[in-house]
Amino acid sequence: GESVGLHLPTLSVQEGDNSIINCAYSNSASDYFIWYKQESGKGPQFIIDIRSNMDKRQGQRVTVLLNKTVKHLSLQIAATQPGDSAVYFCAESRGSYIPTFGRGTSLIVHP
Amino acid sequence: KAGVTQTPRYLIKTRGQQVTLSCSPISGHRSVSWYQQTPGQGLQFLFEYFSETQRNKGNFPGRFSGRQFSNSRSEMNVSTLELGDSALYLCASSLALGTGGNTIYFGEGSWLTVV
Repeated sequence: GESVGLHLPTLSVQEGDNSIINCAYSNSASDYFIWYKQESGKGPQFIIDIRSNMDKRQGQRVTVLLNKTVKHLSLQIAATQPGDSAVYFCAESRGSYIPTFGRGTSLIVHP
Repeated sequence: KAGVTQTPRYLIKTRGQQVTLSCSPISGHRSVSWYQQTPGQGLQFLFEYFSETQRNKGNFPGRFSGRQFSNSRSEMNVSTLELGDSALYLCASSLALGTGGNTIYFGEGSWLTVV
């Protein structure tokens, strides 16, 4: 998986499979986390967020898991579709401090 | 509700020229931040404005500047352009400074090519 500050280039999955994208964050004081999807030529699009008082949050086909003990965040995409192909990156933040963004993971969905 | 709007979307400039990029945040958002995105460096923070004041600044040279207007709209300027300034410039808006526990929303970006 990716680490904020490090780069994991590519994750390839078959259409219909579940995808898991990981993110290791560095600041144990971070209390708010966001996942973004960035398609080629477009700006990052908000997917889902989670606060540090939660360990799981679900959206439409996506789930974010937060493990504060090991400072790990993951994004699970159910029944991955070709339209999910994009770069996914996480962000960690704390209060009014500037958020820190990961480099991103490129998800490639094969039909 | 309109999202973050950036103009222009694409532009080509010559070395030594200057460029101004514009950003209109989501209605009600008072924080506007700017990022430079390149394939090798990822998202690099430029600066953040809140209530017309620059609140945070990244590690970029003084050629990069910005401002925010009373309606929260923001502009960034790059003077004496260099080839290395070629990048996607992203504007993001939020209700509060940093995230303050609120989501940051990005615009589609302005693609700058310096030749």
